[in-house]
Amino acid sequence: AQSVTQLGSHVSVSEGALVLLRCNYSSSVPPYLFWYVQYPNQGLQLLLKYTSAATLVKGINGFEAEFKKSETSFHLTKPSAHMSDAAEYFCAVSSSGGSYIPTFGRGTSLIVHP
Amino acid sequence: IAGITQAPTSQILAAGRRMTLRCTQDMRHNAMYWYRQDLGLGLRLIHYSNTAGTTGKGEVPDGYSVSRANTDDFPLTLASAVPSQTSVYFCASSEGPRETQYFGPGTRLLVL
Repeated sequence: AQSVTQLGSHVSVSEGALVLLRCNYSSSVPPYLFWYVQYPNQGLQLLLKYTSAATLVKGINGFEAEFKKSETSFHLTKPSAHMSDAAEYFCAVSSSGGSYIPTFGRGTSLIVHP
Repeated sequence: IAGITQAPTSQILAAGRRMTLRCTQDMRHNAMYWYRQDLGLGLRLIHYSNTAGTTGKGEVPDGYSVSRANTDDFPLTLASAVPSQTSVYFCASSEGPRETQYFGPGTRLLVL
């Protein structure tokens, strides 16, 4: 079985501040982990993914995430928020425990204040 | 390359009516998926297909059916729509189940 928990349905930051979006997963076998972003009235697009290579994964638009097995976490960070980062962010897990069918978290809405 | 197209973009439907949401991809991906997105609930998987000719049930399959006659098309049918099926529906595809998913622009459905 696999599951994903995203802590905080909304995160609010000031422009230029650190962005931290939390994701914890549950999987009895090594997982593939993904972060997707959804801009208003659009479909989701991939930000980055972890596939058991490097634990620190760099994605598009300056985002990165670190896989921490001991904490079962895959938090998304960006050093300096930009207004254009305002969007909905989804964490997803895929593993053999779920027949590799992805399970998505409920999403976190990032609000960026000027 | 268009990627994934969905039709219609939006629809208002009377309860009890039959409706088919269309999804077509031009990436020759093996796997395709249908999700519904509801406020506060995130994305929930309705049905999926790992390859042409096969389909599987997701988390919320009741009231929906799918078919996968070929690689490119993956239509989703609501046999008799109910108001609880009001949602935004996203189709997605990937090379395989553990690979990156590519999403369509969505279909906004209102069932009255």
